[in-house]
Amino acid sequence: KNEVEQSPQNLTAQEGEFITINCSYSVGISALHWLQQHPGGGIVSLFMLSSGKKKHGRLIATINIQEKHSSLHITASHPRDSAVYICAVNYGGSQGNLIFGKGTKLSVKP
Amino acid sequence: EPEVTQTPSHQVTQMGQEVILRCVPISNHLYFYWYRQILGQKVEFLVSFYNNEISEKSEIFDDQFSVERPDGSNFTLKIRSTKLEDSAMYFCASKNRDRGNYGYTFGSGTRLTVV
Repeated sequence: KNEVEQSPQNLTAQEGEFITINCSYSVGISALHWLQQHPGGGIVSLFMLSSGKKKHGRLIATINIQEKHSSLHITASHPRDSAVYICAVNYGGSQGNLIFGKGTKLSVKP
Repeated sequence: EPEVTQTPSHQVTQMGQEVILRCVPISNHLYFYWYRQILGQKVEFLVSFYNNEISEKSEIFDDQFSVERPDGSNFTLKIRSTKLEDSAMYFCASKNRDRGNYGYTFGSGTRLTVV
């Protein structure tokens, strides 16, 4: 069964801390996505990765294809970063539908 | 920046009633998706749609569900006879290429409550 596992489930940080959220998956993928879900429920795409590393502002996403693992890092965290961060993958045999992890709920305290 | 628009944002319906959830994908996108998220659970795939037909569907997408692209812009999800367990947030998403190497754009969701 194709699974996406995230850790930790919940994360509380102080403003300014460096944050890492991890994602692992079970079989070969064509792409991995990091998404942000706001308290109101809307989902925003942050990154799409098939190899290597991407950076956007204070966010960095990396993927290790051999180890089937990805990390999302947030540098200099801020209370506005508080949200649920979701890892999702496209498995190689799919028609483009995403398989989602359960998400990591991040709370950044001022 | 182009957006995927979903309406309504909230819908409350009686069990057994039909509901239609509407989505307007980004105009040059070709691939359309419906996902749902039951409160407190992970997002789940329902159906993908391309070239005016379903390309893939999950076990959740049974005969009570249907999708249409009636006029070339709207993309609708119909639930024929709602059940309590259909209460969830429903997300529409679109992208302009197949497979995984292009990003998805999600709508802001429709929160469906079946009473």
